[in-house]
Amino acid sequence: EVQLVESGGGLVHPGRSLRLSCAASGFSFDDHAMHWVRQVPGKGLEWVSGINWNSGRIAYADSVKGRFTISRDNAKNSLYLQMNSLRIADTALYYCVKGKYLGYCSGGDCHSVGYWYFDLWGRGALVTVSA
Amino acid sequence: QSMPTQPPSASGTPGQRVTISCSGSTSNIGDNYVYWYQHLPGAAPKLLIYRNTQRPSGIPDRFSGSKSATSASLAISGLRFEDEADYYCAAWDDSVPGWVFGGGTKLTVL
Repeated sequence: EVQLVESGGGLVHPGRSLRLSCAASGFSFDDHAMHWVRQVPGKGLEWVSGINWNSGRIAYADSVKGRFTISRDNAKNSLYLQMNSLRIADTALYYCVKGKYLGYCSGGDCHSVGYWYFDLWGRGALVTVSA
Repeated sequence: QSMPTQPPSASGTPGQRVTISCSGSTSNIGDNYVYWYQHLPGAAPKLLIYRNTQRPSGIPDRFSGSKSATSASLAISGLRFEDEADYYCAAWDDSVPGWVFGGGTKLTVL
């Protein structure tokens, strides 16, 4: 059974840092791109960042670019999100999401995380940024 | 970052057919596939439709997707109480570049 278990959430003051982790099991982790998607309480889903299988392609939403860093350790079947300079607006439930390959490359950068859609989701880790 | 537009709410009675729209732009829906997700309260979002019209195994054929130009739709037929959830469309946006979600549609089964 595929499992994605997030950890590391909590309460943090504005300007501070936090690191989320995601432990993956039940599939060949190093064969898949992975994503972080968040949901602000009462709001919709927002893609945060994606990373391809060997960390060769990484992309971020403009809202977190320069503050958040996505990484992975394939030997540990783990995905990470280092969040620095946190803002109140970053308060959200953060989901770890397994990517599934579109199936073919239609052109452009064939290693882009854009070819990996959101397949299976974890239950999420809550991050609360408050003074 | 341009977010596709969805109606904030939709409703129907059991057995009815409802449609949820997702209106985007050339850079997202126009040039890329659309995906649909169901988000039940307290649960992880679930993939309903991929590559505009395809259903993953285990998703009943009551759920169907379509796309035309820069818009897409999710149709749910034979509506059931357990379909009450939030529904989101998503697509890759070449102009960002990044993934974008629609604002979500809350479906109420009356």
